[in-house]
Amino acid sequence: GAGVSQSPRYKVAKRGQDVALRCDPISGHVSLFWYQQALGQGPEFLTYFQNEAQLDKSGLPSDRFFAERPEGSVSTLKIQRTQQEDSAVYLCASSLERGEHSPLHFGNGTRLTVT
Amino acid sequence: GIQVEQSPPDLILQEGANSTLRCNFSDSVNNLQWFHQNPWGQLINLFYIPSGTKQNGRLSATTVATERYSLLYISSSQTTDSGVYFCAVVYQGGKLIFGQGTELSVKP
Repeated sequence: GAGVSQSPRYKVAKRGQDVALRCDPISGHVSLFWYQQALGQGPEFLTYFQNEAQLDKSGLPSDRFFAERPEGSVSTLKIQRTQQEDSAVYLCASSLERGEHSPLHFGNGTRLTVT
Repeated sequence: GIQVEQSPPDLILQEGANSTLRCNFSDSVNNLQWFHQNPWGQLINLFYIPSGTKQNGRLSATTVATERYSLLYISSSQTTDSGVYFCAVVYQGGKLIFGQGTELSVKP
């Protein structure tokens, strides 16, 4: 596709459930990022992949959060045993080269609501 | 860590007015981007601007890296310009650190 695609667009989970959020980056893009955006705030960095290698996961808030990109293309962000504080929009972004050297392009995000 | 501060936090304009949004950052950065987040939540690239000035239609941006700030100019504003404007600095390996945004509302 022409842009970064994320699915589902909306997800409602009961507290304690596991969720999986998918990101399809722009074809050929090397770098992939996940961000979390709480209501009224700017996006906050979660994790970064260069191809299939996860180079930085310093922003993941707890060990309940796990991300993978096994073939260097599609990525999945998994949240185990969801809590209410996990409610947010999860944004995926990709860039053609290493992130320092090319602009990031964002998907529409997945809005997660934990009840 | 690096701090990114945007001002003003909120701005209300009459259609046709001009405005300047400011972004200050506390450390040297590799690059800087300006985004517009529309009411549907989509983050749209406006500028990728490590230094100097760029223009795209009614929008232009200037980054003075040595003084650690960037400015976004909107001229002849339209109602479709409404939304939140974020600046984000590119830091340590490419991750973006975002400011808190400026929420712009353009009234007809």
